[in-house]
Amino acid sequence: KNEVEQSPQNLTAQEGEFITINCSYSVGISALHWLQQHPGGGIVSLFMLSSGKKKHGRLIATINIQEKHSSLHITASHPRDSAVYICAGGGSNYKLTFGKGTLLTVNP
Amino acid sequence: ETGVTQTPRHLVMGMTNKKSLKCEQHLGHNAMYWYKQSAKKPLELMFVYNFKEQTENNSVPSRFSPECPNSSHLFLHLHTLQPEDSALYLCASSQDLREDIYEQYFGPGTRLTVT
Repeated sequence: KNEVEQSPQNLTAQEGEFITINCSYSVGISALHWLQQHPGGGIVSLFMLSSGKKKHGRLIATINIQEKHSSLHITASHPRDSAVYICAGGGSNYKLTFGKGTLLTVNP
Repeated sequence: ETGVTQTPRHLVMGMTNKKSLKCEQHLGHNAMYWYKQSAKKPLELMFVYNFKEQTENNSVPSRFSPECPNSSHLFLHLHTLQPEDSALYLCASSQDLREDIYEQYFGPGTRLTVT
């Protein structure tokens, strides 16, 4: 059974801080998706990666295949980054396995 | 704007009502999904369609009935729901079914309340 574990569940930061959210996954997952969900519900796909590192603006996602671990980093955090961040594992069986999400609150 | 739209955005219905949720994607994708998101729980996959054919029914009760008339449209017909069915229902689409290759694009969701 594919499993995805996220930590922390809740994270509070001050504006400008560097933020890291972690995700561990099980055998059978070959790609990791990072998703962002704002209050109100809509989900946006931030990254999909199966190796190495990707960067988009202030967001960086890394994955270590050997350790089955991925991290999402936010540099120079801003209150508008406040959201739930979800990691999800994908494999060849077309089903995403979702973590429980990390609620990030960035205070001004 | 992700290219996936859902209507209505909010729905309140009684347990004896019949209603439908609609999803439309403007991305030319072949696969479409229904997810349920209950409070404090991870997203749960409900149904998957690929090229209009249902490829997954994740043990969903029959009071939820999906319909996919073409690759761009997906419906979820609701009847005799229970209060525990109150949740956010999300539609998503992807180019194809390989979740190690293709990203999923999500709609804004329908917030359903069953009274």
